[in-house]
Amino acid sequence: DIVMTQSPDSLAVSLGERATINCKSSQSVLYSSNNKNYLAWYQQKPGQPPKLLFYWASTRESGVPDRFSGSGSGAHFTLTISSLQAEDVAIYYCQQFYSSPHTFGQGTKLEIK
Amino acid sequence: EVQLVESGGGLVQPGGSLRLSCAASGFTFSNHWMRWVRQAPGKGLEWVANINKDGSETYYVDSVRGRFTMSRDNAENSAYLQMDSLRAEDTALYYCARIRDGWASDIWGQGTMVTVSS
Repeated sequence: DIVMTQSPDSLAVSLGERATINCKSSQSVLYSSNNKNYLAWYQQKPGQPPKLLFYWASTRESGVPDRFSGSGSGAHFTLTISSLQAEDVAIYYCQQFYSSPHTFGQGTKLEIK
Repeated sequence: EVQLVESGGGLVQPGGSLRLSCAASGFTFSNHWMRWVRQAPGKGLEWVANINKDGSETYYVDSVRGRFTMSRDNAENSAYLQMDSLRAEDTALYYCARIRDGWASDIWGQGTMVTVSS
């Protein structure tokens, strides 16, 4: 199974500052045949289901503010929020789809400092 | 409106069974793979199962394989999760989700709670 490890487990950032969350996979999730990374990022707020932010590691889902960006390739990925807003407080998860089981990272809790 | 609505959760004794349902609306259900994801209280997300568009292929996490069966009825726009031989560690909120580009899930239900306890 591919193990997804996120860092840090929790993060406190001041409003307007940059927040960076990392996701590392135990093996590459890049398919050489189509040069796509089979990784997604989700945001989950308390009492709500997850919300898709990015697929193919860096393709922003419709409606996601452009202060959010996804980057990385192979086995190292990053979710960045360029200017933290109060509504961004949530737990963020990465998930790989390179192979079954489609494992999630353990989550990163983002709070306001 | 595109939505998924789960139902069928509840309290069940260890070793018991439940059947979860996921009703889809607002999109062409038969055009999408579907998945179940669960979340134990206060814990992270865990992928449970996927099913292909016509229901001929299913995939499961090891911990439920042989006990859970995912199925679908495209005529009813519904997906299901038959859960047998339930264990305490299956206690979780179970989400149904649509699979789209890049295998990601873009539409999620609100979840249905399953509690396995004597």
